Amino acid sequence: DQQVKQNSPSLSVQEGRISILNCDYTNSMFDYFLWYKKYPAEGPTFLISISSIKDKNEDGRFTVFLNKSAKHLSLHIVPSQPGDSAVYFCAASGHNQGGKLIFGQGTELSVKP
Amino acid sequence: IAGITQAPTSQILAAGRRMTLRCTQDMRHNAMYWYRQDLGLGLRLIHYSNTAGTTGKGEVPDGYSVSRANTDDFPLTLASAVPSQTSVYFCASSDSIGGQPQHFGDGTRLSIL
Repeated sequence: DQQVKQNSPSLSVQEGRISILNCDYTNSMFDYFLWYKKYPAEGPTFLISISSIKDKNEDGRFTVFLNKSAKHLSLHIVPSQPGDSAVYFCAASGHNQGGKLIFGQGTELSVKP
Repeated sequence: IAGITQAPTSQILAAGRRMTLRCTQDMRHNAMYWYRQDLGLGLRLIHYSNTAGTTGKGEVPDGYSVSRANTDDFPLTLASAVPSQTSVYFCASSDSIGGQPQHFGDGTRLSIL
């Protein structure tokens, strides 16, 4: 039972355009959401997060949107750059998870010059 | 540079052998975690530790054991490796069990033949 789902295994975007990565969750007790970025042969690195009391958080080119009623969050990257090419994982935590993270399957983003 | 060190980087192991993956952090974080990453499944929590001297089971604990003798070290042991344990293993830490974000090491790629 996958509580956090990223239904797109891969995404290809042209440099300069917007990248939109999607994530759905099933557990309404999740109250904190994170996006991690992972390059090959490296560990995941934290990118951006959002609390369930907000619906948007922005950090430079990266914006995360949260739609609690739809149990959906998305990561927008504008403008996309070739260095953004990586695997992106969304993750969720909540009090009924003891603060531990539940990860999605990941989406591989390829930004083409 | 502060962070998490995992060793070995990669290992090929015969089925039935015992193996310990090492993880050391120098951030004085209380909480530590072990994940495995498999294609199409994302990262799944194996075991975690809230603080030195305590451990807990994650989503996929069978076949693995951990210990937390001190704050810095959190080794993961496969007592008798099986081919289904072929995976990439990541160690992570955070300042507390509910603290985010988690910081990850660069992983150990383990192949069981």
